[in-house]
Amino acid sequence: QKEVEQDPGPLSVPEGAIVSLNCTYSNSAFQYFMWYRQYSRKGPELLMYTYSSGNKEDGRFTAQVDKSSKYISLFIRDSQPSDSATYLCAMSARNPASKIIFGSGTRLSIRP
Amino acid sequence: GAGVSQSPSNKVTEKGKDVELRCDPISGHTALYWYRQRLGQGLEFLIYFQGNSAPDKSGLPSDRFSAERTGESVSTLTIQRTQQEDSAVYLCASSFTPGQGEAFFGQGTRLTVV
Repeated sequence: QKEVEQDPGPLSVPEGAIVSLNCTYSNSAFQYFMWYRQYSRKGPELLMYTYSSGNKEDGRFTAQVDKSSKYISLFIRDSQPSDSATYLCAMSARNPASKIIFGSGTRLSIRP
Repeated sequence: GAGVSQSPSNKVTEKGKDVELRCDPISGHTALYWYRQRLGQGLEFLIYFQGNSAPDKSGLPSDRFSAERTGESVSTLTIQRTQQEDSAVYLCASSFTPGQGEAFFGQGTRLTVV
């Protein structure tokens, strides 16, 4: 079993829809949770960064962490064609400081 | 520089040759990571340098792969006797504090072994 599981998609939704992306994990030591966006032939770009449980909102993006269920989510409101990309969840532990483990990524396409 | 810089951006090499990939992290970042990404796949962890501590080499796929880092600056990933299955994008990332996860990536080196 992988430490981080993510549905690879692809996921296709119409412009303006709310998008929900999810990951599950098995290592209870993870405390830092990230979402990265990767456009084709580019390096991943950090979108959201959360420590421990709870919600974090940044513009049209909301990240949620449920440590009791070992489940994290990224919501995109009012989705735009420019949001079409691969979204990668990532996580790491604090003590001891650890490498960052990535999900396999979900390909998202927003239809105009 | 303002971001993580990787060179070369593209490298084509013959099977059996050695290659060196370079990463310049963001100034002041103590942690540096190398990942491999095959076409259409996720990021595969290779190695993690964390300040002055011993690096985490647990992701290196074979002894043909090695990496060095000089202090808190440049890192070099070396692949000896390249094989066709080494063809991938090699990504480097750095973060200010080891283990805190807020890492920033370079654009990667696209390696093609022919």
